[in-house]
Amino acid sequence: KNEVEQSPQNLTAQEGEFITINCSYSVGISALHWLQQHPGGGIVSLFMLSSGKKKHGRLIATINIQEKHSSLHITASHPRDSAVYICAVRPSGAQKLVFGQGTRLTINP
Amino acid sequence: DVKVTQSSRYLVKRTGEKVFLECVQDMDHENMFWYRQDPGLGLRLIYFSYDVKMKEKGDIPEGYSVSREKKERFSLILESASTNQTSMYLCASIISGGGVYGQPQHFGDGTRLSIL
Repeated sequence: KNEVEQSPQNLTAQEGEFITINCSYSVGISALHWLQQHPGGGIVSLFMLSSGKKKHGRLIATINIQEKHSSLHITASHPRDSAVYICAVRPSGAQKLVFGQGTRLTINP
Repeated sequence: DVKVTQSSRYLVKRTGEKVFLECVQDMDHENMFWYRQDPGLGLRLIYFSYDVKMKEKGDIPEGYSVSREKKERFSLILESASTNQTSMYLCASIISGGGVYGQPQHFGDGTRLSIL
């Protein structure tokens, strides 16, 4: 079993829908990252969380440390949100990140 | 803004060739990482370095080596390229202690390497 599990692996939705991507992990962590990767490969850091909730524009990320679970929400989704969204955790005391397998999101107009 | 630059976006090499992938960061970060990304497998750590001339094996180091002669540059070397090393390669960097102080990793744009 992977230390970081994301669901769903693939998600297709219509423009305007509310999107939720989930991430569960099994180790103690110092931080959790949500990353976005567009076709072509470049990866952008969206959020880094250690507790609570963060919001940036139409994106919201939450984390529940006790339940070892995080969610990424997209409100009023748009075709330009189509990308792979990756959850990654930094285990406590570690230098390196552990990655989920990613969620491929496609928003149709 | 942190800039992580990978020398090539696309690279095609032949089996048995020695291949160098270069990564340069401009923010004086101590820690640098090389990942490969394959469909269905996500990002996997090949090697990382936490200082000049220091290196640590990641999860899949076999068939690879690295070089960190200067702080800003971290090179990934495929000593004798094989077809199973066809992949997307991503470099990243982070300041020392960044995981503790809440700094994100910064990624390059990736190199899509094809071994024929």
